[in-house]
Amino acid sequence: KAGVTQTPRYLIKTRGQQVTLSCSPISGHRSVSWYQQTPGQGLQFLFEYFSETQRNKGNFPGRFSGRQFSNSRSEMNVSTLELGDSALYLCASSLNSGPGHYEQYFGPGTRLTVT
Amino acid sequence: LAKTTQPISMDSYEGQEVNITCSHNNIATNDYITWYQQFPSQGPRFIIQGYKTKVTNEVASLFIPADRKSSTLSLPRVSLSDTAVYYCLVGATGGFKTIFGAGTRLFVKA
Repeated sequence: KAGVTQTPRYLIKTRGQQVTLSCSPISGHRSVSWYQQTPGQGLQFLFEYFSETQRNKGNFPGRFSGRQFSNSRSEMNVSTLELGDSALYLCASSLNSGPGHYEQYFGPGTRLTVT
Repeated sequence: LAKTTQPISMDSYEGQEVNITCSHNNIATNDYITWYQQFPSQGPRFIIQGYKTKVTNEVASLFIPADRKSSTLSLPRVSLSDTAVYYCLVGATGGFKTIFGAGTRLFVKA
């Protein structure tokens, strides 16, 4: 079974621009979560989508948004990029959603550099 | 969500057994304990999950005492490739506000 895929793997953008990252979950998984990882803040939860609905959102500004399509693929968008948005963005999929103890499968991440 | 406390870093040598302990004093009755491993520039990888006593798989063992206020991840006979960050999570791990702590950076030396 193919794992979680993320595209692109690397991205360089200029401050003020916007960016869209893509995630394809494992086949059959309907939950997709996004995380931001930086050396200073570690792994932080951005949001989770399940069956095209955002189930939960972390403490990030409105510049960070996402969506999920009917095939469970997900995209996240960051508008008006700031230098501090430089990070590894990770996508994870799981079979189920909500509070519980479901194993998450992470993708390799997209390394975003904002200059 | 229960807060977790782990050592920031640990060193070991190849072939040794490594035990990483995680404290979670406020663990709730329904909480599970899950460990992930992360290599640089890669996403975390699930290692093991348990609720009580002992769980073992092909990669590691997880020991949970009766009071469940702590847990210990045991890696038998580590190799250089086990050098990674290990995260202990308690509670919801299905994406619902999953909280990763700082993790334990394990460095395995030859």
